[in-house]
Amino acid sequence: GAGVSQSPRYKVAKRGQDVALRCDPISGHVSLFWYQQALGQGPEFLTYFQNEAQLDKSGLPSDRFFAERPEGSVSTLKIQRTQQEDSAVYLCASSPYRDRRYEQFFGPGTRLTVL
Amino acid sequence: QQQVKQSPQSLIVQKGGISIINCAYENTAFDYFPWYQQFPGKGPALLIAIRPDVSEKKEGRFTISFNKSAKQFSLHIMDSQPGDSATYFCAASRRAGGGNKLTFGTGTQLKVEL
Repeated sequence: GAGVSQSPRYKVAKRGQDVALRCDPISGHVSLFWYQQALGQGPEFLTYFQNEAQLDKSGLPSDRFFAERPEGSVSTLKIQRTQQEDSAVYLCASSPYRDRRYEQFFGPGTRLTVL
Repeated sequence: QQQVKQSPQSLIVQKGGISIINCAYENTAFDYFPWYQQFPGKGPALLIAIRPDVSEKKEGRFTISFNKSAKQFSLHIMDSQPGDSATYFCAASRRAGGGNKLTFGTGTQLKVEL
């Protein structure tokens, strides 16, 4: 079946602009994660949803970052008033989180460049 | 505080050789240790994972060795092929109560030469 999809794949924003990044998880997956991957680094956890509930947002770097998953499927990561340090690849992952299956399936990411 | 330390940063191996990547963790609450492979422009893809109740897991050419007392685990790629050239990340998570959020190492760039 289809994997995790993310859009747009590339986004260029001027400093101060707001951006919205979309994630379509694998159908039926309960858990959804957002990670931020800086150039040459490993992904870093941002936030986690179980269905529509945001259970952990401890990794969000500032209150400019906001994520939602209103119907327990598609998720949007919004960054307000973007700064240059927000430039990174934003990865979405989903997981079935049932039947002892905890593996996370990653999308291709959205590369955000803030000028 | 880096909770998962990975080495080496880069690795060059001849075709047919063994690639070995090492990771060490600090949080003893971690109970799930996956390895991910990432190609340029792609998201990480799960290669193999292990739980701390076993010391070794093998899937095809990929083997994880796990040393709970030393809080270390490693990935061995046997008969390395040019197609294995990618960045490899170790990771760790705590499944219960933590939602299984992954803490990643810093990555190892593997190049397999002909």
